[in-house]
Formats: sequence, C-alpha cells, structure tokens
Amino acid sequence: QSALTQPRSVSGSPGQSVTISCTGTSSDVGGYNYVSWYQQHPGKAPKLMIYDISKRPSGVPDHFSGSKSGNTASLTISGLQAEDEADYYCCSYAGSYSWVFGGGTKLTVL
Amino acid sequence: QVQLQESGPGLVKPSETLSLTCTVSGASISSNYWSWIRQPPGKGLEWIGYIYYSGDTNYKSSLKSRVTISVDTSKNQFSLKVSSVTAADTAVYYCARGSIAGFDYWGQGTLVTVSS
Repeated sequence: QSALTQPRSVSGSPGQSVTISCTGTSSDVGGYNYVSWYQQHPGKAPKLMIYDISKRPSGVPDHFSGSKSGNTASLTISGLQAEDEADYYCCSYAGSYSWVFGGGTKLTVL
Repeated sequence: QVQLQESGPGLVKPSETLSLTCTVSGASISSNYWSWIRQPPGKGLEWIGYIYYSGDTNYKSSLKSRVTISVDTSKNQFSLKVSSVTAADTAVYYCARGSIAGFDYWGQGTLVTVSS
C-alpha cells in the first residue's frame, strides 16, 4: 500500500491547460477503474472532483477531466481559472476494500 | 444534504488512545462505506480504514495493529480508535462517506495533536 506518485507541483497561466499525473501499480491504478481526484484549498476538507477515472459529480465544472492509461491516471484542467489554485490528490481502489492516495500536487495559477 | 461531523479530544498524550466519533446527518449510515482519512500537518492524505454498517472493516496494513473502527447505527455514528499514539499520529482526521468509486462527502476535519 505505497502512496501513488504525483508531481509535487505544476503551474499554468489563466486560460491554459495543465495535466497532473498519478502513477501506481497493477495492484491499484492499473488493476481497477476506480481512480478519483480531490481538490483541497488551504484549511478546507478535500472535495471530490472526478470518480471512476473520468466521471464528474454534479456541480463540478466541465473543465476538469480525467483519464487513465496503464498504471498512470491523469487529471486535466483546461481553461485554468484563479480559483483552481489548490492541492490535488489522486486516490485509487487497491482491492479488498482498501484505498491509497497520491502524495498530492500543488497547482499554482500564475 | 449529507453532512459529517467529527468530534473528540484535540490533544492526546503519547502512548494513549486517540478516540474520535463521526456523526452523520442527511443520510443513513446503513448504506455506503464510511472511512477515516488523516492528513499530518503540511503533508498528504492517508486512508486509515473503512467500515460498512454490517460491521465489516478493513484497515491500512501499516496501522492494522493499532486501529479499530466501529459503528453505532442507532446513533448514525461511526468511531475511530488509534492506540499507542506517537507524535507521528498528529494530524487532521477526516471522516468520509465513500464507495469503491471514491469519497463523496467529507467532514470538516479535526486536528488531533499528540503531545505530553
């Protein structure tokens, strides 16, 4: 149950697109179609942004999208907005009712 | 509207047991999975364990010997106990509703500091 690997930080200008990667193994990301992504603003609880690799909960803007290839999942934020600046965490189901999170990525909107 | 609220002591002495309760409103605890997740100051999220209303549980392997999660369906609550705590257990503890797909509702979090 090692943490999934995410870049520590990414950045982009308003209107640009950024992609955050999340690399695991065949025991988690690669083995199940159950990757989720969370946005966390300072001092706040995480918020679910993407589930089942690419599905958006009601109310999440459509400029957030997710995908997966092999053992790596990705979150793409297109048309960056100032309010998108936050920490982002991926999470994968790892079998036997266990879950594993990524180490988190700090997104800076320049 | 589903709401979760953590409660419990904010300060625990080393070697003692950390105890937290999560009160669920707007949803019956007799559905979905319910998890505890923690975040040490300045660090990332760590899944601790889950419980189903039936009492089925599973815990992160590295914490399994020290963690117990229980459920009280009559109070719509579930609880976390972590024994033999050290400074490494200092964190914001979140309770969350989830399924295999992910965690859709979270409590606001409660900071627990381990210190003498």
